[in-house]
Amino acid sequence: NAGVMQNPRHLVRRRGQEARLRCSPMKGHSHVYWYRQLPEEGLKFMVYLQKENIIDESGMPKERFSAEFPKEGPSILRIQQVVRGDSAAYFCASSPAVRGDTQYFGPGTRLTVL
Amino acid sequence: AQSVTQLDSQVPVFEEAPVELRCNYSSSVSVYLFWYVQYPNQGLQLLLKYLSGSTLVKGINGFEAEFNKSQTSFHLRKPSVHISDTAEYFCAVSDVVGSNDYKLSFGAGTTVTVRA
Repeated sequence: NAGVMQNPRHLVRRRGQEARLRCSPMKGHSHVYWYRQLPEEGLKFMVYLQKENIIDESGMPKERFSAEFPKEGPSILRIQQVVRGDSAAYFCASSPAVRGDTQYFGPGTRLTVL
Repeated sequence: AQSVTQLDSQVPVFEEAPVELRCNYSSSVSVYLFWYVQYPNQGLQLLLKYLSGSTLVKGINGFEAEFNKSQTSFHLRKPSVHISDTAEYFCAVSDVVGSNDYKLSFGAGTTVTVRA
């Protein structure tokens, strides 16, 4: 059973461009979570999604950030008009249908904004 | 909001020596507690978790942790480390009360470097 897949692993963008980060959950997992890790800090919760639904986006910045988990395909975290402060590692996790269960993490996408 | 403090950012240790990684959290409600490990260029892997029951939790690779409610701590230990234990270790907490138990709060991480 393949683990959580994230791509790309490294992404470089110039200020003002868009960044799209993809996450494929483990097979059979319908719950996806995104976390962000700024330099020298712990991971911070951003958003929790189920298929076609955003359950909790309380950790998402109010502007420029959006997330989706369509019926088919990976979950996407989209950052519009990136700024230098968006440079971070973005981790995706998934869990089985039972909420509160162990979250399985992907290797992360390291975004660098020039 | 939860806060998690990992008291040591870097822990150098010799092979076959014991190691303890400290984790304290702030919460006035019941919590779930986790330790994750991240090897270079890999995702976070669950080492162990405390949900309820015995306060001494055993995990993979010889690690164990003890939940101390009065001290709000969840320290991770291994009696004898190997070179392969070189990695970054994260402590994480989530609230049991309410419906937000999926929302993990992480410490900043402790980098363990094992030397021969």
